[in-house]
Amino acid sequence: AQKITQTQPGMFVQEKEAVTLDCTYDTSDPSYGLFWYKQPSSGEMIFLIYQGSYDQQNATEGRYSLNFQKARKSANLVISASQLGDSAMYFCAIHERGTYKYIFGTGTRLKVLA
Amino acid sequence: KAGVTQTPRYLIKTRGQQVTLSCSPISGHRSVSWYQQTPGQGLQFLFEYFSETQRNKGNFPGRFSGRQFSNSRSEMNVSTLELGDSALYLCASSLEAGANQPQHFGDGTRLSIL
Repeated sequence: AQKITQTQPGMFVQEKEAVTLDCTYDTSDPSYGLFWYKQPSSGEMIFLIYQGSYDQQNATEGRYSLNFQKARKSANLVISASQLGDSAMYFCAIHERGTYKYIFGTGTRLKVLA
Repeated sequence: KAGVTQTPRYLIKTRGQQVTLSCSPISGHRSVSWYQQTPGQGLQFLFEYFSETQRNKGNFPGRFSGRQFSNSRSEMNVSTLELGDSALYLCASSLEAGANQPQHFGDGTRLSIL
């Protein structure tokens, strides 16, 4: 089974609207971290937001929030008030404390429309 | 604080040659991971080093090797290059390999095999 599944290969959103990027994961490790990264066309991977498996509250960082549903094993990224500069690839990743491995999903390409 | 530095940024080689890529992590970071990114395969984990020891390895042939020095700097070597090795190679560092540590990425080395 895939550790990280991002089912949306591509998404469009109108500028200033909110968008949700889906991510589901599969792990039996009780201690893990979930991360979202942004990769613009220039290639660099930019860390956006982190959620720990034991965190009770959903993580937020500015316009980014993580909708963490542990029982459903989902960690969706919500971007509020989309900007043209948000157009990029977005990767969800999991890190399991037991294996030390970071595993990335296949990514979602987001295009923000003016 | 300087970010993760990868050198060189671009590299062109021919089949059969070998190549060495370098990565200097953020100061104080002890874990360094390497990834191969291609349009068709996404982000593939190569290996992870922590305190000069390879702790994890992805599913790549033995032509791909790496090492980490006492100052946490890491090198990746690919021998007997093949056309399929053309990719963006990303290095990422984190403080430790704990589940609550985000990885910080360098800008990558874009390797082209002719």
